[in-house]
Amino acid sequence: NAGVTQTPKFQVLKTGQSMTLQCAQDMNHNSMYWYRQDPGMGLRLIYYSASEGTTDKGEVPNGYNVSRLNKREFSLRLESAAPSQTSVYFCASSQSGRGQPQHFGDGTRLSIL
Amino acid sequence: AQSVTQPDIHITVSEGASLELRCNYSYGATPYLFWYVQSPGQGLQLLLKYFSGDTLVQGIKGFEAEFKRSQSSFNLRKPSVHWSDAAEYFCAVGKGDMRFGAGTRLTVKP
Repeated sequence: NAGVTQTPKFQVLKTGQSMTLQCAQDMNHNSMYWYRQDPGMGLRLIYYSASEGTTDKGEVPNGYNVSRLNKREFSLRLESAAPSQTSVYFCASSQSGRGQPQHFGDGTRLSIL
Repeated sequence: AQSVTQPDIHITVSEGASLELRCNYSYGATPYLFWYVQSPGQGLQLLLKYFSGDTLVQGIKGFEAEFKRSQSSFNLRKPSVHWSDAAEYFCAVGKGDMRFGAGTRLTVKP
C-alpha cells in the first residue's frame, strides 16, 4: 500500500552542494511529476515524464535536472543548490496524460543555507 | 495564460456547518478542473475533477463542486463539515499544463 514514496523526507544543504531527490511509485503508472510548493504559491510543476524514457520541462525547470530511470522511478537533481530552491518538493504520478496527477508522495522538505 | 484564484486564504467553520470554498479560473477554452486536499505533512489527495458533462461533480469524502462557466468558477461544497476536514484545499485548472491556486486553509471549530 505504498503508492508514491519519496526519499529523503528532510534535508539541509549548503549553497553550491548537489543533491538527488528520489521518487518511486508502485502503481504501474506511466506519468510522473515533480512539483515544488512554496508558501502562498500553491504547487508549481518543475518537470514531468509522460512515459519511461521521456521528460519535459514544466513551469519552473531552471536549476533542476531529472531522470526517469525506469517506469517506477523518477529522480530530481539539484546540481548546485541555491537558497531560492528552499521548498517542499512533491513527486506525483498518474496512469496517463500530462498535468493531471492523481497520487502524491508525502514530500521532501529541503532547506538550503 | 491560465490561472487560478482562491480568494480566501483561511476559512473557519463550526463542525456540522456547511462549507463553500471559492475558486475562480482564467482559461481560454473549456478547462479541466480539480480540487485537492492536503493534510499537514502529507501530499495532496485528489477530491474530484471536472472534464465535461454534468456541471455538478461528486467527489470523495462527501464533497461536491459546481462548474459555472458564466462565472468562471468551480466552488467546492460540503453540507456538513467534520473535524477531520481541517486541511488545506487547492483548486487546479488545465489540460496540458496544470496550474494550482495558492490554497485555502480550513479550520474546523468544535
